Amino acid sequence: DTGVSQDPRHKITKRGQNVTFRCDPISEHNRLYWYRQTLGQGPEFLTYFQNEAQLEKSRLLSDRFSAERPKGSFSTLEIQRTEQGDSAMYLCASRGKTGDGGKLFFGSGTQLSVL
Amino acid sequence: RKEVEQDPGPFNVPEGATVAFNCTYSNSASQSFFWYRQDCRKEPKLLMSVYSSGNEDGRFTAQLNRASQYISLLIRDSKLSDSATYLCVWHGSGNTGKLIFGQGTTLQVKP
Repeated sequence: DTGVSQDPRHKITKRGQNVTFRCDPISEHNRLYWYRQTLGQGPEFLTYFQNEAQLEKSRLLSDRFSAERPKGSFSTLEIQRTEQGDSAMYLCASRGKTGDGGKLFFGSGTQLSVL
Repeated sequence: RKEVEQDPGPFNVPEGATVAFNCTYSNSASQSFFWYRQDCRKEPKLLMSVYSSGNEDGRFTAQLNRASQYISLLIRDSKLSDSATYLCVWHGSGNTGKLIFGQGTTLQVKP
């Protein structure tokens, strides 16, 4: 499978714990995005990487959230001191260079439940 | 005001019906628009791009009205398999290529 993969698919954690999600984009894609989606809403942009550089962060991304893409390949999203409001689907997407007609390739997401 | 606004529905229609969704956007500088489809518990996938001149792909037609700042999606002869959430999407500001998603409109096609 050469699509975007995310791990884990589901994560249940207790409030206050730290969690980390991983995203492996399509190998030739240099642009990587993290989104968060809650029930009944569209995906909300969190952050963007071009290669290893994090070029944009949404104001939704509090200081408890940190994302990395150390070698310009896979990316991790860490949430520290999780809160119940963090419960959501976390989607990773990748994109090739310009001219791709607006097509983001999404992974299947990581469903986070904070108890 | 949200950047992109959609009627969440649900729209319940019989098979064979024609259904249309509208989506309004607030940023008049927006250049590129798209419709994405999201099946229940699945990731969003690009359905089609939206051009000023209109864009037709089989039973699906997308149109952009810049003067009124809305885009539309028309589905003709709807099928059971069209049941999904349809997300109105536009390119956000800046050069990151990020996409801004609307809330989505849910369509249920009934036999």
